[in-house]
Parts: sequence; structure tokens; C-alpha cells
Amino acid sequence: KNEVEQSPQNLTAQEGEFITINCSYSVGISALHWLQQHPGGGIVSLFMLSSGKKKHGRLIATINIQEKHSSLHITASHPRDSAVYICAVRTLYNTDKLIFGTGTRLQVFP
Amino acid sequence: DSGVTQTPKHLITATGQRVTLRCSPRSGDLSVYWYQQSLDQGLQFLIQYYNGEERAKGNILERFSAQQFPDLHSELNLSSLELGDSALYFCASSVGGGGASYNEQFFGPGTRLTVL
Repeated sequence: KNEVEQSPQNLTAQEGEFITINCSYSVGISALHWLQQHPGGGIVSLFMLSSGKKKHGRLIATINIQEKHSSLHITASHPRDSAVYICAVRTLYNTDKLIFGTGTRLQVFP
Repeated sequence: DSGVTQTPKHLITATGQRVTLRCSPRSGDLSVYWYQQSLDQGLQFLIQYYNGEERAKGNILERFSAQQFPDLHSELNLSSLELGDSALYFCASSVGGGGASYNEQFFGPGTRLTVL
């Protein structure tokens, strides 16, 4: 079993829909990252969080440390949000090493 | 643009060959991380350097090596290449080098390596 699990693996949505991507992990962590990878391959860091909730534009990330779970929400989704979203954790015992989930492929149709 | 640069963008080579991938971190960042993204394994951490010294090691093969130079750029050397080494190789940089401090990583555009 992977230390970081994401669901769903694939997600399609109509423009304007509210989207939720989930990440569960089984190790103790110091922080969790949400990354976005566009079809061209480039990776952008969206959020790094260790507790609570962060918001940036239409993106919201939440984390529940006790339940070892994080969610990434996209409000009013748009075709340009189509990308792979990757959850990654920094463990307590090696805070420099990221362990990645397998990613969620999101396609938003107009 | 993250401020992290990687060269080359694409590399096509043959099995058994050796290649060098280059990464320049963001101005002011002391840490460089290397990652491999293959179709079957996803993203995996390879190695981290902080201010010229190796700081953390992940799933890096013995055929692979890396170093960070005094100007803080880093090179990842891949030798005796196999078909399975075909992947996207990302470099990331951060200000600090671990501990409990906040350390957001900024990713470069990647180098796509194809081994034929």
C-alpha cells in the first residue's frame, strides 16, 4: 500500500462545477503539498500546509492532521484547470524528502 | 516561471550511454532536489543537496550520481543508461535545507530523457 493515496484517479467535470480531490496518508508528516502538473509537464506548487485551511483564488486546500487526510477544492471550475493534481507529504523523520501520491487527472469541459 | 532552470529540455540517447542534466536553482536558494517521474512509478525523490553537500538520498540508482557546485547549480549524471531510465527528470529548489523550518520547493520545467 502506498504511503500517500489520492482519489479519484481520474475526474471529469463540466465548467462551473465544484471539484474535490482527496489525499490520505499513512505516515507522520510535517507538511503536505498540493502540486499541479499541466499537460506540458511543468509542475507548479499550489499549496503547502501543515494545519487548517488555505485559499488562493478559486482553490482551497484543507488538512486534518488527526485523520491524516487533505482535500483540494476547486470552485467554479474552468477548462484551464485541466491538469494532474498531485499530493505530496514531507515526513516527520526526513523533512526534506517528499513522498508523492499518484496524482488525479482532472479534465474540465466547456 | 518558477525561477528554476533546467537544461536540456529534451534528450534522446541510446542504451549504455551517459548523460548529464543541469539545474540552476532560484536566486538565493541553497537546496536542490532531483526527482524522477516515469509512467509506471510516478514521481520519486532521488537526492537533495544543500549548499554543496548531500543532504538526503532517496531511490537513486548506483548508476546515477549528482553534485552541487560552489555557484549552487547542480548536475545529475546518469550512466549505463537503460530503456527504463526514460522519464521526466525534475529539479526543485528551496531556500533552506530541512529541519522543522518551512521549505517550499519550486520546480523547474523538467528534462525529458528518452533512451532508445
